Amino acid sequence: DSGVTQTPKHLITATGQRVTLRCSPRSGDLSVYWYQQSLDQGLQFLIQYYNGEERAKGNILERFSAQQFPDLHSELNLSSLELGDSALYFCASSASTGPGYEQYFGPGTRLTVT
Amino acid sequence: DAKTTQPNSMESNEEEPVHLPCNHSTISGTDYIHWYRQLPSQGPEYVIHGLTSNVNNRMASLAIAEDRKSSTLILHRATLRDAAVYYCILRGPYNFNKFYFGSGTKLNVKP
Repeated sequence: DSGVTQTPKHLITATGQRVTLRCSPRSGDLSVYWYQQSLDQGLQFLIQYYNGEERAKGNILERFSAQQFPDLHSELNLSSLELGDSALYFCASSASTGPGYEQYFGPGTRLTVT
Repeated sequence: DAKTTQPNSMESNEEEPVHLPCNHSTISGTDYIHWYRQLPSQGPEYVIHGLTSNVNNRMASLAIAEDRKSSTLILHRATLRDAAVYYCILRGPYNFNKFYFGSGTKLNVKP
């Protein structure tokens, strides 16, 4: 158990809909990262937040957005969903930000868009 | 960004040591070498990381070449639970928050 929690575990929704994925980092961790893993793309970095502020963006679509709240939990919002958005979405946390800090990953949310 | 090269797959026997190689010939002096693994149907799991010196923890050892252009993750006694995809990742001061995973090495452990 990494200490990172993600809800829900599974989500099935239709094209065009909007969903919110939630992540609670390990106790004391200030940095949260979001990743997408699909069969044909591997694990892709989406976005990072540190202590409530956005720090880095990766391959995140404009239809996707995220935020980190004062209690440090984070939400990833996916809108105008397409079939290709079906994937595993992972959240990770680290104590701080910097190259020497390891990340701890949650169990993921499996999103299926029909 | 500095890239890493890993074999696509490796096989090991249970209870034997496993040496997983990673080449990173364009590594810079400030890049950390991180290893993660992903078991089937689970999120990635941190294994170990280091900068210049060899590192040991309860899961594994990391041996870093003197010129830092390659490293080896050592599992001292492979178990069936170690069957996973192992990722070698470089993180430097300018890209550390953009954590890019490559295709990794799929380790198969035979009983």
